[in-house]
Amino acid sequence: RKEVEQDPGPFNVPEGATVAFNCTYSNSASQSFFWYRQDCRKEPKLLMSVYSSGNEDGRFTAQLNRASQYISLLIRDSKLSDSATYLCVVNAGNFNKFYFGSGTKLNVKP
Amino acid sequence: NAGVTQTPKFQVLKTGQSMTLQCAQDMNHEYMSWYRQDPGMGLRLIHYSVGAGITDQGEVPNGYNVSRSTTEDFPLRLLSAAPSQTSVYFCASSQGLAETDTQYFGPGTRLTVL
Repeated sequence: RKEVEQDPGPFNVPEGATVAFNCTYSNSASQSFFWYRQDCRKEPKLLMSVYSSGNEDGRFTAQLNRASQYISLLIRDSKLSDSATYLCVVNAGNFNKFYFGSGTKLNVKP
Repeated sequence: NAGVTQTPKFQVLKTGQSMTLQCAQDMNHEYMSWYRQDPGMGLRLIHYSVGAGITDQGEVPNGYNVSRSTTEDFPLRLLSAAPSQTSVYFCASSQGLAETDTQYFGPGTRLTVL
């Protein structure tokens, strides 16, 4: 079983739509969680960390559900510039390793 | 402040050749790591280091060696290149592994093994 699993998509949505991605992780000892964004043929960049209480950054909201072992990312009022692949990343604390999901591709259409 | 730099950006090797991918960071980060990314797959951890002189294996370490003689540099060596090592390689660094620690990635090295 993979450490981190994501729906690969693609999610094709019109501008202004709200879209949500989920990600599940297998290690209940995981301690830190992130969403990264990767544009085509570019390096990943941090979008936001995911805190236990949930957190929001502008149009982006991240949630953590430890009981069900999943994290989510909600994007409101989608922009064309949001088109990218979104990577879920989990760290299992004392294992000193980050595990990446395979990514969810988002296409925002005019 | 250049962040994380990687060289070369592109490389073509023949099967059996060896080479070293260079990675350097100027942020005084303790944690550095190497990933490979293949089509349709996420980044997979090859090797990582939690500080100078300390390295350990990730998910897919076979065929690769690393060393960390300084805080700044973390080179990845391919011992005898194979076509299965054709991939995009990313180096990353962070201060730590907590949710407050951002991983910064280099621009990547696109490697083709013929």
